[in-house]
Amino acid sequence: AQSVTQLDSQVPVFEEAPVELRCNYSSSVSVYLFWYVQYPNQGLQLLLKYLSGSTLVKGINGFEAEFNKSQTSFHLRKPSVHISDTAEYFCAVSYTGGGNKLTFGTGTQLKVEL
Amino acid sequence: GAVVSQHPSWVICKSGTSVKIECRSLDFQATTMFWYRQFPKQSLMLMATSNEGSKATYEQGVEKDKFLINHASLTLSTLTVTSAHPEDSSFYICSAYSSGETSYNEQFFGPGTRLTVL
Repeated sequence: AQSVTQLDSQVPVFEEAPVELRCNYSSSVSVYLFWYVQYPNQGLQLLLKYLSGSTLVKGINGFEAEFNKSQTSFHLRKPSVHISDTAEYFCAVSYTGGGNKLTFGTGTQLKVEL
Repeated sequence: GAVVSQHPSWVICKSGTSVKIECRSLDFQATTMFWYRQFPKQSLMLMATSNEGSKATYEQGVEKDKFLINHASLTLSTLTVTSAHPEDSSFYICSAYSSGETSYNEQFFGPGTRLTVL
C-alpha cells in the first residue's frame, strides 16, 4: 500500500521569503508524484509532476520540487513567495499500473503574510 | 489544460432527499472519471472510479447504494447522493482523464460541489 505524509499542516511565511513544503511517500513500487494547489472553495490545480527523468521538476508560478528516491521525498520549494500563494497544497502519489488513482497527503496550508 | 466542469457548484437540500451532481469534460473525451470527497480542512478521499459504459468501482467503505455513479457518455458522469443526511454534507470533487499512449494520464479536476444537507 502507498501513503503520503505531509508533516506540516500549516506553514506561515513572510512575503518574498523562501518556502519549502515537505512531502514523504511510501510505496513498494515505482511512483509518479504530484503537487496540487487548492484555493478556497475551488478544485485542484496541478503545480508540477514527476513521472521520470530529471529529479528536479519545475512547475507553474515559480514552484519547483525535487524527487529524492533514497529519502522517498518530494519537497516543494519556492524561492520567493507572494501573497497570492496563500492556499492549501496537496502532495499526491500514483503508482505505475495503478490505474491513475491518486493518493493524497493531508495537505499543508501556506499562509503568506506581509 | 483540459477543462472539467461541475454542476451545481453548491446545493442545499433537506434530509432524506436525493441530490445529483454532474461532472463534464468540456473539451476532451474522458474515458475515466474519479469522484472524491473532501471534508473541511482535510484531504481528498477517493470514493469511486467511473469508466464510460461500465459500472463504477467503489473504494472500500463507500456505500454504492447511497452514492450512485453513472458514466453515460465520454463527457458526462453523475454522482447521486440518495436519501441524503447531514453527515453527507461535504465538498465533492470530480476529476477526469483520457487514456492515451503515455504511462500516466493527467487528471483534470472540476471546481467542486459544496453539498449541505439540513
